[in-house]
Amino acid sequence: EFVLTQSPGTLSLSPGERATLSCRASQSASSSNLVWYQQRPGQAPRLLIYGASSRATGIPDRFSGSGSGTDFTLTISRLEPEDFAVYYCQQYGDSRWTFGQGTKVEIK
Amino acid sequence: QVQLQESGPGLVKPSGTLSLTCAVSGGSISSSNWWSWVRQPPGKGLEWIGEISHSGSTNYNPSLESRVTMSVDKSKNQFSLKLTSVTAADTAVYYCARANLNLDCWGQGTLVTVSS
Repeated sequence: EFVLTQSPGTLSLSPGERATLSCRASQSASSSNLVWYQQRPGQAPRLLIYGASSRATGIPDRFSGSGSGTDFTLTISRLEPEDFAVYYCQQYGDSRWTFGQGTKVEIK
Repeated sequence: QVQLQESGPGLVKPSGTLSLTCAVSGGSISSSNWWSWVRQPPGKGLEWIGEISHSGSTNYNPSLESRVTMSVDKSKNQFSLKLTSVTAADTAVYYCARANLNLDCWGQGTLVTVSS
């Protein structure tokens, strides 16, 4: 069974700080299928990053994605107030989608 | 710009069948390869339920496969989800989404509660 493990579970930071979120796959994953979403409270998830490193339309350049194989990272260079949310990684493989359990970025 | 809107009963009895529809507007359901359902129990993470192509091919989450059926209605530009034998564990916000190597367009979600 393919599993995505996100860490940390919660990240407590202040506005203006840098956030680094990790997503580790239980087996080597295709970078082209690694996706990141942002979910604000009460809202549907929003596509942030696809293909491990490509920003979706309208996503600010403070968001960046990197990684390959089993280790992927989402970086927010300088946190804005609207960035405090839950972030999920997702991988498509074997005709199914798998989500990580999420990382909550909260205001310190 | 494509928009998705879920609809269906907000309350389903235990052992009953959950039925939801996702209406696609601003574009044709045949213009994208696949359409997905994702759910989120209150306070928890996202769970992929499955996907259906505009031609009716399906892929389901193995953990739900025995209870899930998806269908597409091109004439109404919509697709649907049926989940049978529901329990309280199926209480969640259900989202429909467009799948193009990623889920790039989502509905607002609809809360379905399983309770007698």
